[in-house]
Amino acid sequence: EPEVTQTPSHQVTQMGQEVILRCVPISNHLYFYWYRQILGQKVEFLVSFYNNEISEKSEIFDDQFSVERPDGSNFTLKIRSTKLEDSAMYFCASGGQARMGTDTQYFGPGTRLTVL
Amino acid sequence: KNQVEQSPQSLIILEGKNCTLQCNYTVSPFSNLRWYKQDTGRGPVSLTIMTFSENTKSNGRYTATLDADTKQSSLHITASQLSDSASYICVVSARRSQGNLIFGKGTKLSVKP
Repeated sequence: EPEVTQTPSHQVTQMGQEVILRCVPISNHLYFYWYRQILGQKVEFLVSFYNNEISEKSEIFDDQFSVERPDGSNFTLKIRSTKLEDSAMYFCASGGQARMGTDTQYFGPGTRLTVL
Repeated sequence: KNQVEQSPQSLIILEGKNCTLQCNYTVSPFSNLRWYKQDTGRGPVSLTIMTFSENTKSNGRYTATLDADTKQSSLHITASQLSDSASYICVVSARRSQGNLIFGKGTKLSVKP
C-alpha cells in the first residue's frame, strides 16, 4: 500500500541554523500539507500546497518557513533560522481524491526536530 | 474561534469491551469531520470522514456519528482489541478551507487484557 515517507526521522540542530525536512508524498496525489505537533499538544496546521503554490497557511507559518516541491516527488519544509520553540514533530500529509479540504489526508510518520 | 474539544482525555477499558468517545466543535462554517487514530510517535491514520449530510459512518469496528445541529460527534469502538490502544483525534475542516484541519487534543485509549 502506498504511503507518505519522511526523512530524517530525527533531526537535532542548533538554534539559528537552517533545517530542511523532506517528504515523499503518495505518487498520484495532488495536495500536500505540513503540520506540527509540539510534545503533548495537539496537531497544528502549517501550510497546504497545490499546483506549485501555497493554498493556505496558518499564523505559525511565518517568514522563517518555506515549502518547495523541487521535483516531481519531493516536498520540503525549510526553517531558515530555527528557534527553541520550533522543537516539535513535523508531519507531512498528502491527498488527492477530491477537492482540497474534503480529501482524505494521508500522514507520514513524522520528523522529530530538536532545537538546542 | 474555531475549536474542537474531546472527552474524556483518557480512558482505560478491558479487551473485548465497547467504548464511546465524544467530540464537540465550534468550527464554522462546517465542511466535514474526521476521526483519526494516532499511535504513539506515529502519524495520524484516517478512520472516517463525514460531511454535513451524513450522520453515521462505519469502518470495521469503528462507527462515527455526527449531529451537525448540536455540533457533536462520537466514535464508538466495538469489541476492543489490544491494538486499539492509541490516541483518537477528532478533526474538523471548515468550508472554503484549503486543507486546514483543526485538531482536537485527542482521547488516549488504553485497552488492557
